Amino acid sequence: QVQLQESGPGLVKPSETLSLTCTVSGYSISNAVYWGWIRQPPGKGLEWLGSIYESGSTNYNPSVQSRISISMDTSKNQFSLKFSSVTAADTAVYYCARHEPSGGFDYWGQGSLVTVSS
Amino acid sequence: AIQLTQSPSSLSASVGDRVTITCRASQGISTALAWYQQKPGKPPKLLIYDASTLESGVPSSFSGSGSGTDFTLTISSLQPEDFATYYCQQFKSYPITFGQGTRLEI
Repeated sequence: QVQLQESGPGLVKPSETLSLTCTVSGYSISNAVYWGWIRQPPGKGLEWLGSIYESGSTNYNPSVQSRISISMDTSKNQFSLKFSSVTAADTAVYYCARHEPSGGFDYWGQGSLVTVSS
Repeated sequence: AIQLTQSPSSLSASVGDRVTITCRASQGISTALAWYQQKPGKPPKLLIYDASTLESGVPSSFSGSGSGTDFTLTISSLQPEDFATYYCQQFKSYPITFGQGTRLEI
C-alpha cells in the first residue's frame, strides 16, 4: 500500500526558508512516476507548486519558480521541498502526492500545516 | 497557464438528488482532466482521471464526461458522504492547474 507522509517545522519566520520532506512507503520513488507538492491556504483552493520525476528532472509553477526547489533522496525513499523568502501569504497546508506522467494525483500525504509568522 | 473555471461555486442539494458540476478550460486539453473530492481536514481524493475513467474503489454513482474545453462531473444519486468540495485539475500541460472548487452542501 502506497503511503506518503510530510514532515517538517510547523512554524517558519518571514523571509526564512520553508523545508518539508515527504517519506514514501510501499512504493519506490525510483519508479517512473512524478512526485509533487501542492498547497492549500486555509479556506482556499489547491495550488500545484512543482513535481520531480524519477530521473530527477523537475517542473515548477512559474508563480513560485524563483523561490522553490524540489529534490529527491532515493536511498531514503524521500523527496523534499525548499521554499525560500516566505511571507504570511505562504501559510498553508502543504501536501505531497504521486502522479503518473499523464494522470491525476492518486496518492496523497495527510498534509502539513505550515504557518509563517514571527 | 491553462485556467479552469468551475460552476457553480457552491451547490445545495438533498440526498438522492442527481447533481452536475462543470469545469471549463481556457484552452483545449483533450481529455487530460481529473476530478477530486475533498472533505474538511483531509487531502483530496482522486475520483476520475482522463475525464471519464473512474479511479479504483470509487462508487459508480460518480461519472465524468467531456473533452476539449468542457467537462462535467455527475453524481447520479447523492449519498450523505458525498457532501464535500469538488475540484477539477488539468494535466495537459505545465503548470498543472486546479479549478477553484465547488462546495456541495446539504
